[in-house]
Amino acid sequence: EAGVTQFPSHSVIEKGQTVTLRCDPISGHDNLYWYRRVMGKEIKFLLHFVKESKQDESGMPNNRFLAERTGGTYSTLKVQPAELEDSGVYFCASSQDGRLARELFFGEGSRLTVL
Amino acid sequence: AQSVAQPEDQVNVAEGNPLTVKCTYSVSGNPYLFWYVQYPNRGLQFLLKYITGDNLVKGSYGFEAEFNKSQTSFHLKKPSALVSDSALYFCAVRDEEGDSWGKLQFGAGTQVVVTP
Repeated sequence: EAGVTQFPSHSVIEKGQTVTLRCDPISGHDNLYWYRRVMGKEIKFLLHFVKESKQDESGMPNNRFLAERTGGTYSTLKVQPAELEDSGVYFCASSQDGRLARELFFGEGSRLTVL
Repeated sequence: AQSVAQPEDQVNVAEGNPLTVKCTYSVSGNPYLFWYVQYPNRGLQFLLKYITGDNLVKGSYGFEAEFNKSQTSFHLKKPSALVSDSALYFCAVRDEEGDSWGKLQFGAGTQVVVTP
C-alpha cells in the first residue's frame, strides 16, 4: 500500500513567486492534514480536511496560503505570493478517522526555500 | 491552552545504553499524548500514544513511554539503544480546541545520536 506522497520534495523560489505543493494521502483516508516546520522550530498545524471540506483551518498563517482538496482525494497548498518567512518544511498527513485517536501517517515533506 | 516541551535539543547515548527522551506537557483537560520519530530524509512515523489506561505504553521498535500525571511528563524510553535509533523525536499533545484527533501540538523535537 502506498503511503502519503508529497510533491515536490524541494522547491526553491524567489520572494513574490507562487508555489503549489501537492499531497496524495493514503487511499481511503478521508482526513488530510497540513503541517509545517519553520526554521527548525515546532511543527505547526495548518489545516484539516475531511474529504473535500475544510474542517479546521485555524492554523493557516494568512491569506497568502490557499489549500484545496477537490474531489476529496489529493490536496494542494498554494503560497502566493511567497515571502521569506514561508521557508520551511511542509508536511502532509492522513488518517482513517479524525474522531478517534488514530495515528497520523505523514509524507516525507516538501521543503520550501524562498530567496 | 495546551503545550508540550522537550527540554533537550539533543541526547547523546552509546549503543547498548538506555535511552530517555524527555517530554512534559500542560493541558486543561485529559492529556492525549503521542511520540513520533523522523529518520533522515523521511516523514514522521508514529511510535506510540497515551489515551487512557496503563501508564506504561509500549510502542514500535522497542520504545515505551511512561505517563506520569503528577509530574505532567511523558518520557520516551528504550532499554538498549541502537545506532539505527539516531533520529529526530517529537512529542505531541492533542490540541484541545476543536474535535479533531489529528490536530496536534508538537514539541520542538529532540535529536538523538547513538554512537557505536
